[in-house]
Parts: sequence; C-alpha cells; structure tokens
Amino acid sequence: GENVEQHPSTLSVQEGDSAVIKCTYSDSASNYFPWYKQELGKRPQLIIDIRSNVGEKKDQRIAVTLNKTAKHFSLHITETQPEDSAVYFCAATYNKLIFGAGTRLAVHP
Amino acid sequence: DVKVTQSSRYLVKRTGEKVFLECVQDMDHENMFWYRQDPGLGLRLIYFSYDVKMKEKGDIPEGYSVSREKKERFSLILESASTNQTSMYLCASRSTTPGQYFGPGTRLTVL
Repeated sequence: GENVEQHPSTLSVQEGDSAVIKCTYSDSASNYFPWYKQELGKRPQLIIDIRSNVGEKKDQRIAVTLNKTAKHFSLHITETQPEDSAVYFCAATYNKLIFGAGTRLAVHP
Repeated sequence: DVKVTQSSRYLVKRTGEKVFLECVQDMDHENMFWYRQDPGLGLRLIYFSYDVKMKEKGDIPEGYSVSREKKERFSLILESASTNQTSMYLCASRSTTPGQYFGPGTRLTVL
C-alpha cells in the first residue's frame, strides 16, 4: 500500500546549524508534498509544500527539495533557532495525505 | 483564517462506551478527515469525506464509524470504546486545493 518513510526520528542541533529531514514515498502517482510543524500541545501547521512539477521551493529559512525519480523529498532548515524545536511531519498525496512518522527536532541554544 | 474546532480537548471514557467526537469547520470546505496520532506512528487516517453524506475508509477504520450530515460537521464515532483507542484524535479539512487545516485535537483516554 501507500507508504511514507521519514528519517531521522529525532534530530538534535545547535542553534545556527542546519537541519535536514528526509522522506521517501511509495506511490509514484503522488503529486503534492506538504510539510507540517507541530509544537508541543498544538495542532500541526502547514509550513511549506511542493508540487511534483517543481524540484525546489524556498521560504526564508526553510526549503524543500523533491526528487521524483528517486521518490524522495527533503526539508532543509537553515540558521536554526530554538523556536524551530517541534515535531515535523512530511506527507505525500495523490488523493489523500499519507504522513510520515514524524521527526522530533530539538534546537539547543 | 480557516477555523477547525473540535468538541473536546480532553475526554475520558470507559471501555464499552459509545463515544462521539465532533469536528466543525467554518470555511465551507468539501473535504474533511479524521486522524489518530500515536507516538512513533505519525498521523494515521481513519476516515475521510469528500461531500455531505459521503464517507471513505482510511487506513485504520476498524472500530470507528463517521457521520457527515452537514457540510461543516464531521463526526467520529467509537461504537464500543476499547483501551487501544486511547490516542490523540485530529480532525482536518481542506477545499479543492491540497493544503489541510487541522483542529486542535482531542486527547481521548479509555479506561
């Protein structure tokens, strides 16, 4: 069935470093790839997304890359700050979102 | 701003009880979803609905049912709650564009 794998499950970085989270998907028909950030006790919030006709998208300190051939996509956060600490979920969809298991990012001052 | 609300933030029920979780969105979205969130498993889709009175099974529908009598409201029903249904339940909605908006979640404990 459809599956999204996400790595790593936990990530610890120093403030100012970069963080990279990677996901792979199984359904080659997937055409939309959002990333959600969930802070402790809060709902998941969409932070960036990319469609299958685009290879890279940036929004300030965050960027997402997509390799359709290899069926993987990545989230890049540069110049990390303590407020970036959260759980991040990737997802892939053709008609319904399939989520990865999540990555707990901790940014230490 | 899209608003998705859920009837309770915390709920404690006993094994065998019938449980109703309500979700309401105010943006006239066609699509609504119910997920459960468990540590290490991410968000798993229980049921979704593309229109009023329409429902589709997600990845883990067993033990659950849903109701969508009005466009803005999507209810998740646990016919006979069991301890393995203790979880965080998240509702989401979206229009015809793919980005989903989540409700605040209901943390359900079944004793």
